[in-house]
Amino acid sequence: SVLLYQKPNRDICQSGTSLKIQCVADSQVVSMFWYQQFQEQSLMLMATANEGSEATYESGFTKDKFPISRPNLTFSTLTVNNARPGDSSIYFCSSSSLQDTQYFGPGTRLLVL
Amino acid sequence: GDSVTQTEGQVALSEEDFLTIHCNYSASGYPALFWYVQYPGEGPQFLFRASRDKEKGSSRGFEATYDKGTTSFHLRKASVQESDSAVYYCALGDFNMGYKLTFGTGTSLLVDP
Repeated sequence: SVLLYQKPNRDICQSGTSLKIQCVADSQVVSMFWYQQFQEQSLMLMATANEGSEATYESGFTKDKFPISRPNLTFSTLTVNNARPGDSSIYFCSSSSLQDTQYFGPGTRLLVL
Repeated sequence: GDSVTQTEGQVALSEEDFLTIHCNYSASGYPALFWYVQYPGEGPQFLFRASRDKEKGSSRGFEATYDKGTTSFHLRKASVQESDSAVYYCALGDFNMGYKLTFGTGTSLLVDP
């Protein structure tokens, strides 16, 4: 399995500001994923990030709003640009092991005022 | 596109009751199927997976069998405990689409002592 760490655990920001969420894996992984989870709802895949290439975004998520960097095989950053109250949710990173199973970080709880 | 249906939104049981959470999927390919469990304030935890027809996955007393004929992967446990109270997600992974996971809507399990 893979252990993932996220920073910050939670954040509160004002509308219109930007914030960064970091995800670190305890070992090298090929793919990292970012998910959004609204209160008491399921997880929605936002994007897939592979090292050295542009992230691939799912429908409803854009690079301008949620730019993702993947500079190496253990690290990824999700940025939320021009944050709005509707972006208030929990953001999870995950990664897949060699056995293709995804393991999740503890999440970052974001509140946009 | 791929989809996962969990028919039970909430399940309330007493300790030592038998648990069934239904999961049906729709996929164009031959996906892997997963069960995850999420406790309050935490990220989803991998329970187990199955990758081929009739394969049984199991962990912590939970089990499910991949049934390609009925496109199902129902979660069962013979005797639940209060500590099993959590949200359970069925998910499918289409590894021809880059290891992406599609989650069901989740089933909240509450077990009374």
